[in-house]
Amino acid sequence: NAGVTQTPKFQVLKTGQSMTLQCAQDMNHEYMSWYRQDPGMGLRLIHYSVGAGITDQGEVPNGYNVSRSTTEDFPLRLLSAAPSQTSVYFCASKNPLASDTQYFGPGTRLTVL
Amino acid sequence: AQSVTQLDSHVSVSEGTPVLLRCNYSSSYSPSLFWYVQHPNKGLQLLLKYTSAATLVKGINGFEAEFKKSETSFHLTKPSAHMSDAAEYFCVVSNRGGGNKLTFGTGTQLKVEL
Repeated sequence: NAGVTQTPKFQVLKTGQSMTLQCAQDMNHEYMSWYRQDPGMGLRLIHYSVGAGITDQGEVPNGYNVSRSTTEDFPLRLLSAAPSQTSVYFCASKNPLASDTQYFGPGTRLTVL
Repeated sequence: AQSVTQLDSHVSVSEGTPVLLRCNYSSSYSPSLFWYVQHPNKGLQLLLKYTSAATLVKGINGFEAEFKKSETSFHLTKPSAHMSDAAEYFCVVSNRGGGNKLTFGTGTQLKVEL
């Protein structure tokens, strides 16, 4: 199993540009989520999904969209990038029927100029 | 509602001495508690977790944590620090069996000196 994979690893955007951060998992986990990590703030939940076709907002959803068309994939879209979205983004997944443990991807480091 | 407070943002120890990273939590329900470690420029790795079994939880790399309900604490310890333990550590809470959301503490940076 590859586990949770994220692409790209690094990305630089200009203010106003849009992009999609990719996340995929091969563990057949129903639950997937996106977090952002900022210095001194830990990780904060952006959006999450409890299964294909179902998404919901987390703590800091503004400026981000998600969709879940398959169990495996959970892309995060930045509609119009802003410098405040400069952060490290982590995707995570879990099987809620089996465990509370979430498995994290390696992260995407995004800089918005 | 749930929250986590990591009482120290930075901890510095000498190699071979004990490590103590402190964490207090608040939860409306029976919590699950986790410690994750993040090495520089890496993702998050699960160290250990508490769900509902033994209150003393053993994890990887010699770390352990004790769940103390009366003190709402879940401190992380290790008897003897190693240079490779230098990293950032996150205490995390979720409502067991119910919501899937994790709430992270703000992290403790552990420095290990020779």
